[in-house]
Amino acid sequence: RKEVEQDPGPFNVPEGATVAFNCTYSNSASQSFFWYRQDCRKEPKLLMSVYSSGNEDGRFTAQLNRASQYISLLIRDSKLSDSATYLCVVNMGDRGSTLGRLYFGRGTQLTVWP
Amino acid sequence: EPEVTQTPSHQVTQMGQEVILRCVPISNHLYFYWYRQILGQKVEFLVSFYNNEISEKSEIFDDQFSVERPDGSNFTLKIRSTKLEDSAMYFCASRVGQGFGNTIYFGEGSWLTVV
Repeated sequence: RKEVEQDPGPFNVPEGATVAFNCTYSNSASQSFFWYRQDCRKEPKLLMSVYSSGNEDGRFTAQLNRASQYISLLIRDSKLSDSATYLCVVNMGDRGSTLGRLYFGRGTQLTVWP
Repeated sequence: EPEVTQTPSHQVTQMGQEVILRCVPISNHLYFYWYRQILGQKVEFLVSFYNNEISEKSEIFDDQFSVERPDGSNFTLKIRSTKLEDSAMYFCASRVGQGFGNTIYFGEGSWLTVV
């Protein structure tokens, strides 16, 4: 069973491009949703939380569709520094998960070239 | 910005040996976690720890593994008899409390290689 599934990638885009990542999750009772960024052999770092109404942080926009159990991340005006692996992360909402058990997707690798 | 610190950053050990990975969570945080990531694979939950006891553990966290908070600052993961398949990056994490707004902060990881 794959709790969180993502586009496998990799995505290779030029600077300035817009790129979108998708993610689906299996548990309809999931409570919290996040996008993390992970650089090669580094720790995951929170990029943004994802809210039901959708939310934006600068060039990044996240959307959540609970009915379809689908999460997306849009990056506009890509920069070289956006090159990383983007992880879709879900808190499934069962008793244990309220204490922080996160389910990670395998990640989508993005390379932005000059 | 406060951070979760982990030692060692990299350890090579022989199969069958015991390994202890150390973590210093952020000082006012109450919930502590270990995750691991095998090279090329997804990050996987191992265990959560609160109020000096394990709150939840995954199927990966078998009798070989144990966690301890020996004092007010350290949080350790012990692997009793390492196997080749234990080779992975181990991430410690902490958060201040429950609730949607409480971010989980990850340490930089300890890369364990079992030979």
